[in-house]
Amino acid sequence: GAVVSQHPSWVICKSGTSVKIECRSLDFQATTMFWYRQFPKQSLMLMATSNEGSKATYEQGVEKDKFLINHASLTLSTLTVTSAHPEDSSFYICSGGQITDTQYFGPGTRLTVL
Amino acid sequence: EDKVVQSPLSLVVHEGDTVTLNCSYEVTNFRSLLWYKQEKKAPTFLFMLTSSGIEKKSGRLSSILDKKELFSILNITATQTGDSAIYLCAVLSGTYKYIFGTGTRLKVLA
Repeated sequence: GAVVSQHPSWVICKSGTSVKIECRSLDFQATTMFWYRQFPKQSLMLMATSNEGSKATYEQGVEKDKFLINHASLTLSTLTVTSAHPEDSSFYICSGGQITDTQYFGPGTRLTVL
Repeated sequence: EDKVVQSPLSLVVHEGDTVTLNCSYEVTNFRSLLWYKQEKKAPTFLFMLTSSGIEKKSGRLSSILDKKELFSILNITATQTGDSAIYLCAVLSGTYKYIFGTGTRLKVLA
């Protein structure tokens, strides 16, 4: 199956700093990538839909200025958590694929903000 | 509002048991339903269902969709401890968004 990678796997940062998470499709071109966050023992909550070459579409309640998404190529999307605070600590997962096809998930990035 | 509901929330069984996990949905312009297995990291794909009544099978796992009654089931026969995981159901809507259920946490005891 298709492979999606995320980098880093795990990051700890101080409150107020920004953190960038990369999501790459390794063996296919992803016209669409989705970004999710997952709190412990909860399901995946969609944050935004990222389309290559255009602005991301954010879900209600997700601050676009706080969670900056860039999808500059068909194999790379980035999520930047700006001025991170402890409440942003979560497991962030991306998925990629063609819009009507199965989505393949990255391994996730665990963010801890101190 | 689109929603996907899974039941039960949590399940504990012994090795060798058969389990049935349920997923019901109310989604505008349904396109497909997917099942994923999530262990400690990101979900891994199990099945994608688009047509009613056609069973998808992979080893001890099988799944079927009922588009009239708006639900799907995931069956696991002869369960093993390695089946312990969270099983997620997701529906692709007409706006091409994936709506996830809360998951069923399965624990298989040796």
